[in-house]
Amino acid sequence: AQKITQTQPGMFVQEKEAVTLDCTYDTSDPSYGLFWYKQPSSGEMIFLIYQGSYDQQNATEGRYSLNFQKARKSANLVISASQLGDSAMYFCAMSSSISGGYQKVTFGTGTKLQVIP
Amino acid sequence: SQTIHQWPATLVQPVGSPLSLECTVEGTSNPNLYWYRQAAGRGLQLLFYSVGIGQISSEVPQNLSASRPQDRQFILSSKKLLLSDSGFYLCAWRRFLNTGELFFGEGSRLTVL
Repeated sequence: AQKITQTQPGMFVQEKEAVTLDCTYDTSDPSYGLFWYKQPSSGEMIFLIYQGSYDQQNATEGRYSLNFQKARKSANLVISASQLGDSAMYFCAMSSSISGGYQKVTFGTGTKLQVIP
Repeated sequence: SQTIHQWPATLVQPVGSPLSLECTVEGTSNPNLYWYRQAAGRGLQLLFYSVGIGQISSEVPQNLSASRPQDRQFILSSKKLLLSDSGFYLCAWRRFLNTGELFFGEGSRLTVL
């Protein structure tokens, strides 16, 4: 069974500062993918970043980077230079293959980030 | 380009009434399809996923069911709604056998009274 854990229900960060959102995972599948999504109050799910389990380098997308530590089974999201528009819920997710080609995608419980001016 | 549509956007239903939420994907073929539910202020709970027509995997055996009558159509149903069925329902798709991102619909907000 696969599991995603986000232990920070809520976080505050000062505008222009960096912030790290924690995510740990558990899976027995040797091949998997890790994602981060942002959900503003409007409810839409915005894809931020993706890391494959065999990728050698940490993924980066603009101000977002994924700190992937495979041995620790962690995939933390780092947001640099926080902006007021970054205030939202952030979800970590994982996909892995199950026999027969099914690809289950599981989400964590989320972290609510609030950026303070 | 690929698009995903989900409807209705908002629904208010009495307890015991039936439910049908529909999701369609355009611009791709043989996608993986997913239904998630999000209770107020909570995370996303995977309800069903499908890798092909008529192939449905259930994660949460409740009074909900899903069907995939066509390659790019995914329907979430209930014969009798419960109060606990209230929430934000999200449909998503993904390229078949791809390990990349999920693409989400706009969501359907269901209130059961």
